[in-house]
Amino acid sequence: KAGVTQTPRYLIKTRGQQVTLSCSPISGHRSVSWYQQTPGQGLQFLFEYFSETQRNKGNFPGRFSGRQFSNSRSEMNVSTLELGDSALYLCASSLSIVSGGPSFHEQYFGPGTRLTVT
Amino acid sequence: AQKITQTQPGMFVQEKEAVTLDCTYDTSDQSYGLFWYKQPSSGEMIFLIYQGSYDEQNATEGRYSLNFQKARKSANLVISASQLGDSAMYFCAMTPNNNDMRFGAGTRLTVKP
Repeated sequence: KAGVTQTPRYLIKTRGQQVTLSCSPISGHRSVSWYQQTPGQGLQFLFEYFSETQRNKGNFPGRFSGRQFSNSRSEMNVSTLELGDSALYLCASSLSIVSGGPSFHEQYFGPGTRLTVT
Repeated sequence: AQKITQTQPGMFVQEKEAVTLDCTYDTSDQSYGLFWYKQPSSGEMIFLIYQGSYDEQNATEGRYSLNFQKARKSANLVISASQLGDSAMYFCAMTPNNNDMRFGAGTRLTVKP
């Protein structure tokens, strides 16, 4: 079974531009989560989608948005890029079906997209 | 919101020895899942082990075991018989609802030959 794929793997943008990152989950996984990883802030949760609906979001400004398509593929968009948006953006998928316990599902991560804003 | 604390920024262990990576968490939820992930220098996050809050037995997966102490809200990862390939960042994570997973700051483990 193919793993989580993310495109592009590397991206260089300038301040003020916008960027769209793509994530294809493992076949059969309907939950997709996005994370930002930086040396200073660590791994921070951006948002999670399930069946095209955003179920939860982290504490990020509105410049960060996402969506999920009917085939579970997801995209995240960052508008008006700032230097501080330079990071590794990780996407993860899981089998998560219901919100809440008692069973919890591990997430499988893609290789990430390394975004550099100059 | 839940908070995950990993107090060891870096750890060293001799090859073939066991090592314990600490993780404590803070949550008001009664039901939650705890996870450990490994991130080698390549950057990809690799799932290692899972423990449910209602599981009475500590989880084990090969050389990995999770020392779960619910009353203390700790979920330490134990790696037995360390190998050079175990050198990586290790992250503890928790979710109360399957749609919001939070991670600790991570511990960098270095295995010495």
